[in-house]
Parts: sequence; structure tokens; C-alpha cells
Amino acid sequence: DGGITQSPKYLFRKEGQNVTLSCEQNLNHDAMYWYRQDPGQGLRLIYYSQIVNDFQKGDIAEGYSVSREKKESFPLTVTSAQKNPTAFYLCASSGGALPRNTEAFFGQGTRLTVV
Amino acid sequence: GENVEQHPSTLSVQEGDSAVIKCTYSDSASNYFPWYKQELGKGPQLIIDIRSNVGEKKDQRIAVTLNKTAKHFSLHITETQPEDSAVYFCAASRGGGTSYGKLTFGQGTILTVHP
Repeated sequence: DGGITQSPKYLFRKEGQNVTLSCEQNLNHDAMYWYRQDPGQGLRLIYYSQIVNDFQKGDIAEGYSVSREKKESFPLTVTSAQKNPTAFYLCASSGGALPRNTEAFFGQGTRLTVV
Repeated sequence: GENVEQHPSTLSVQEGDSAVIKCTYSDSASNYFPWYKQELGKGPQLIIDIRSNVGEKKDQRIAVTLNKTAKHFSLHITETQPEDSAVYFCAASRGGGTSYGKLTFGQGTILTVHP
């Protein structure tokens, strides 16, 4: 089945450690996105990539880094510089064939907890 | 940048009643307005979307209306059922090419449908 796969579902990290969240899509979408969700808030854009080997900062990029070496993959690294990393992280992709090329598909999320 | 405000934050209705959720946006260049449903611990799923060249769109029990002049759009759910209970998010995007997934989200509405 086509879709977006995020792993792991739950992730625990000690303070001061970097951690990488995985996002893979087999929808042949050009664009991929990372969002952060905090309780009682909407999703906020961290980084996005519209094409391989290129990406742009979103609204809350500080303390995060990404890479886009393959069309199918867009991993997110939460660095030790991120002051409050505990959150639910969602990956999305868009840019498929007409007529559904407007729809952004989301993965099932990774819940990161700093212990 | 874009700012999306969503109301109400919580909505409780009896099964069979209608539910209405309203959003306003600030960027007149936004042209794509999706609505997402999110169940606990899962990623958001698109339920309906509308583009700026359309004033209303309906899909069975769900409809969305858009007023470009006033910069607001609304989600209408008729004949609500307990399985409609979830968090609903509105979003806005300038769209175009691979940018449809670059979304600004509202804060979310927790909808509870009582049997």
C-alpha cells in the first residue's frame, strides 16, 4: 500500500543527546514536511523540502536539522540545542499526480519524550 | 506570515445534531483550505478541502464554505455520529506546485458527539 511511514512510534531521549526520526514515503511525492504538535495547539512547520537535495526552514526550525538525499526519505534530527523537544512529530508529503496533487498525506507520528 | 484562528476549541453535540467549526485567516494570498480529522495518537487525515475559486463544497455529511472577502471558512457536519468524535483542524496554504503541504494550522477543535 502507498503511504508514509514514520518510525519509531515512541522515542525516549536523554537530555543532551541528538536523536533522528525517520520518515519514508512511497507515494512518489516531490515535497515532504515535518510538523511539531504540542498539546492543545495546532501543528507547526519545522522544515520542508520541495525537491531532493534542497530544503527550507519553517516557522520553528531552531534546534532541528534535516536532509533530503532521496526522494522517498526525509529524516529529522532533534539536536541537543532544541530547548523543549518533548512533542508529537508528524511527517507529511504532497505533490502527487493530478487530480489529488493538492492533498498532503500525514504519517502516524513519532512521540518523542526527553527523560 | 499567515495566521489561522479556529473556534470553538471544544464542541459538544448530541448524536444527529449538526456541528459547525469556524476559521479565519490573515493572508489574502492563501488559496487552499483543507480540513483534517485527527484521532488520538494518530496523524491527521484530510476530510475535505476547498480552493479559493470555489465558495462551497460538499461531500455526503460534510461541507465547507469559504468567504474570501471576509477571509473565513467553515466546516459543517450534519447528522453527527459518535465516530465523528475527534480533533478537527483547519489549515491554509498559498498552494501551487509542491507547496500545498506547506500549511498553517488552526489550534484545533475537540468535537464530542454524545450518543
